[in-house]
Amino acid sequence: NAGVTQTPKFQVLKTGQSMTLQCAQDMNHEYMSWYRQDPGMGLRLIHYSVGAGITDQGEVPNGYNVSRSTTEDFPLRLLSAAPSQTSVYFCASRRDSLTYGYTFGSGTRLTVV
Amino acid sequence: GENVGLHLPTLSVQEGDNSIINCAYSNSASDYFIWYKQESGKGPQFIIDIRSNMDKRQGQRVTVLLNKTVKHLSLQIAATQPGDSAVYFCAENYMEYGNKLVFGAGTILRVKS
Repeated sequence: NAGVTQTPKFQVLKTGQSMTLQCAQDMNHEYMSWYRQDPGMGLRLIHYSVGAGITDQGEVPNGYNVSRSTTEDFPLRLLSAAPSQTSVYFCASRRDSLTYGYTFGSGTRLTVV
Repeated sequence: GENVGLHLPTLSVQEGDNSIINCAYSNSASDYFIWYKQESGKGPQFIIDIRSNMDKRQGQRVTVLLNKTVKHLSLQIAATQPGDSAVYFCAENYMEYGNKLVFGAGTILRVKS
């Protein structure tokens, strides 16, 4: 049982490049979310999913896409990277609608130059 | 608007002393609160939670107090240890965004040996 696994751990992109941050969980959790964490700030919700095939926007969705084709995987796509997207990205999952607390991955540190 | 904030950005305590980390929230409709611990280079780790129908909950060396009258949450750590050094976040649960967690900016806890 690995929990929530994120890859890569570090990534440097040039402005305008695209890439996908991977997130996988092996706990059969229904809910998955992506957060970004910037210095001196709390985590902000980018996108979330309440189950396979269902996704929705969080508070800072612009510039990001997600999909949820399986229960296990919830990739985050940066369409055209911008320096403002330099951040640490965390994927999180929770079991179901009756479980509030999330289990977090270890994060992906992204730098856009 | 949404506001989960912390009174003290940095707290330094002597090893063995008790620590108290405070948090203010603004959404009186929030029904659930969580404290997370984040060590350097890692994702947030669940510490303890409390529902809005409670005013106190105890765990191992940790206690969370909830004062709904003044919208205040605190985390008490007994006999603070060097391993407790980390950033601590409070988060409140919003029913919108699939039970979104709204995070505060965090408090740095430094334990002096």
